[in-house]
Amino acid sequence: LAKTTQPISMDSYEGQEVNITCSHNNIATNDYITWYQQFPSQGPRFIIQGYKTKVTNEVASLFIPADRKSSTLSLPRVSLSDTAVYYCLVGDDSNYQLIWGAGTKLIIKP
Amino acid sequence: DTEVTQTPKHLVMGMTNKKSLKCEQHMGHRAMYWYKQKAKKPPELMFVYSYEKLSINESVPSRFSPECPNSSLLNLHLHALQPEDSALYLCASSQVRLAGVADTQYFGPGTRLTVL
Repeated sequence: LAKTTQPISMDSYEGQEVNITCSHNNIATNDYITWYQQFPSQGPRFIIQGYKTKVTNEVASLFIPADRKSSTLSLPRVSLSDTAVYYCLVGDDSNYQLIWGAGTKLIIKP
Repeated sequence: DTEVTQTPKHLVMGMTNKKSLKCEQHMGHRAMYWYKQKAKKPPELMFVYSYEKLSINESVPSRFSPECPNSSLLNLHLHALQPEDSALYLCASSQVRLAGVADTQYFGPGTRLTVL
């Protein structure tokens, strides 16, 4: 079965670049890797999605190595409002389940 | 319109009550999801509807009963809940639900449920 592993928490400072890595073995061959952001008492919000190599949008970049066994979410120049929990989500090729990471609590300090 | 709405925002119910949670989306999505989320945990998938048919039921107790009246609406009927069912209940939708593929999901704000 697929399993995802993320750091439980991370601290950084305003203006810094933050990288959060998710390890995911047995990811579905045709599945994308998706990252979500969640603030307290709100639903998760889509950040970015990718299949391989690098994807960039207006808020983040996603780096995926060739073996696709991990992915790294990169948040450029974070601000206090980026304090949230970040989840990676992948599909499992063996049982068609969706596998959520345990979440990384990111705290941005002034 | 990229919004998923959920009502009510908060719900307090006794163990003998019957209540319903409602979810609505107007993005033309054909897959809708119910999740349960406990504090400091990731969302836990409960049910998935694909083209208004229940496609996934993650061994959820029968005291939770989902219903998809049409492609825009999703209900979760609650009956005889236990205090441990207290959680944030999230609804989400996506364009499609392919087996094993995590399509981009759009989440509602959730219903905070407390069972006394």
